[in-house]
Amino acid sequence: QKEVEQDPGPLSVPEGAIVSLNCTYSNSAFQYFMWYRQYSRKGPELLMYTYSSGNKEDGRFTAQVDKSSKYISLFIRDSQPSDSATYLCATGDYSSASKIIFGSGTRLSIRP
Amino acid sequence: DAGVTQSPTHLIKTRGQHVTLRCSPISGHKSVSWYQQVLGQGPQFIFQYYEKEERGRGNFPDRFSARQFPNYSSELNVNALLLGDSALYLCASSHDGQYDQPQHFGDGTRLSIL
Repeated sequence: QKEVEQDPGPLSVPEGAIVSLNCTYSNSAFQYFMWYRQYSRKGPELLMYTYSSGNKEDGRFTAQVDKSSKYISLFIRDSQPSDSATYLCATGDYSSASKIIFGSGTRLSIRP
Repeated sequence: DAGVTQSPTHLIKTRGQHVTLRCSPISGHKSVSWYQQVLGQGPQFIFQYYEKEERGRGNFPDRFSARQFPNYSSELNVNALLLGDSALYLCASSHDGQYDQPQHFGDGTRLSIL
C-alpha cells in the first residue's frame, strides 16, 4: 500500500465548475499537508500548505484536512482553463522534516 | 527574486555513464532537497542537505550521491547509469528545511538514458 493514494484521473470539467481533488494517507504520523500544481515540463508549484485539520482558503482554492479519516482535499472554485495541470498532494511528519511524500498526481483538464 | 534554478534542463546519457546535475536555491535559503520524478508518478525524495551536511536520505542506491557548497548550491551525482534512472530530477529549496518551511521547486533536469 502506498503511503499517499491519489486518483490519477484524468478529470475533465467545464469552465466555471467546482473541482474536488482528493487524497488519502496511511501514516497517522503525517502532520503537515501540501498541494502542488505542476504544468507540463515544469516543476511543482506550491498552492496550499497547512498543518491543522479543517479548511484553509486562498482565493479560489480551499484545502481541507481531516486527520481522523486521513483524508485531504483541494477545492477549486470558478475553474479556469489555466487551471489545467497535474495536481499533487503531499505530506510529511515533523520528525523527518526533510522528506515529503507525494501522491502520484491527478491530471485535471478544464474545458472552455 | 529568482526562484530555484537547475542546470542543465535536458541531458541524454548512455548506460554506465556518470552524470552531475546542479541546483542553485532561492536567495536566503540554506536547505536543498533532491527528488526523482518518473513519468506519471509523484516526486520521490532522494536527499536533503542543510549547511553542507546531509540531513535526510531516501531509498535510493549508493550510485546516487550529493553535496552542498558554501554558497548553498548543490550537486546531485549518479554513477553507473541505468535505463531506469530516466526521469525528471527536481531540486527544492527552503529556508532551513524544517517542517514549517515549505519547499519550493525548480523546473528540473530531464535525464534520458539510452
